[in-house]
Amino acid sequence: LAKTTQPISMDSYEGQEVNITCSHNNIATNDYITWYQQFPSQGPRFIIQGYKTKVTNEVASLFIPADRKSSTLSLPRVSLSDTAVYYCLVGDMDSGAGSYQLTFGKGTKLSVIP
Amino acid sequence: NAGVTQTPKFQVLKTGQSMTLQCAQDMNHEYMSWYRQDPGMGLRLIHYSVGAGITDQGEVPNGYNVSRSTTEDFPLRLLSAAPSQTSVYFCASSYGTDIGNTIYFGEGSWLTVV
Repeated sequence: LAKTTQPISMDSYEGQEVNITCSHNNIATNDYITWYQQFPSQGPRFIIQGYKTKVTNEVASLFIPADRKSSTLSLPRVSLSDTAVYYCLVGDMDSGAGSYQLTFGKGTKLSVIP
Repeated sequence: NAGVTQTPKFQVLKTGQSMTLQCAQDMNHEYMSWYRQDPGMGLRLIHYSVGAGITDQGEVPNGYNVSRSTTEDFPLRLLSAAPSQTSVYFCASSYGTDIGNTIYFGEGSWLTVV
């Protein structure tokens, strides 16, 4: 059961700002929103994480509205090396055991064009 | 620290053979999981464990077994390999799942079943 929705793909020219939006209507109160980046033939790696409002690090910014039903990953001035798949991730409580499953969306394939 | 280590990196199996994908982490993480990734698809959760002695099924558990006898190790067993199990497998670990903990992924294991 998919818990997040992202665009399948996006194209951008080098030097532009890229915004990728993820919908997560069923986000739980204790869930954080986390974004991961995956290059071909590699495992995903952490980019940024937030709970509400805005978070910024040396790589990206994450914007989360008050209702937390969506989030937007912002990559400033992308380069060719930013070509990758970006995953939006939220925690997902298993309704039965109370344990947690982590569910990845299908990801957004970002292609940066010279 | 080595992080999350997966072996083997590449493996070719014949239909019906069994094998074990090894996964070890040296970060004292409680949560470990296995994902598979097929071409053009996102990551799908196979099995996960919230601590030693505790395992549970993810989205696509059929044909796979896991065990968690120690905190460090989380092997994935294919009991009778099928061509449909040809995929890239990623092991992951994190300190926990409920407070936005970062997930660390292994480098992946490429499995081909012929």
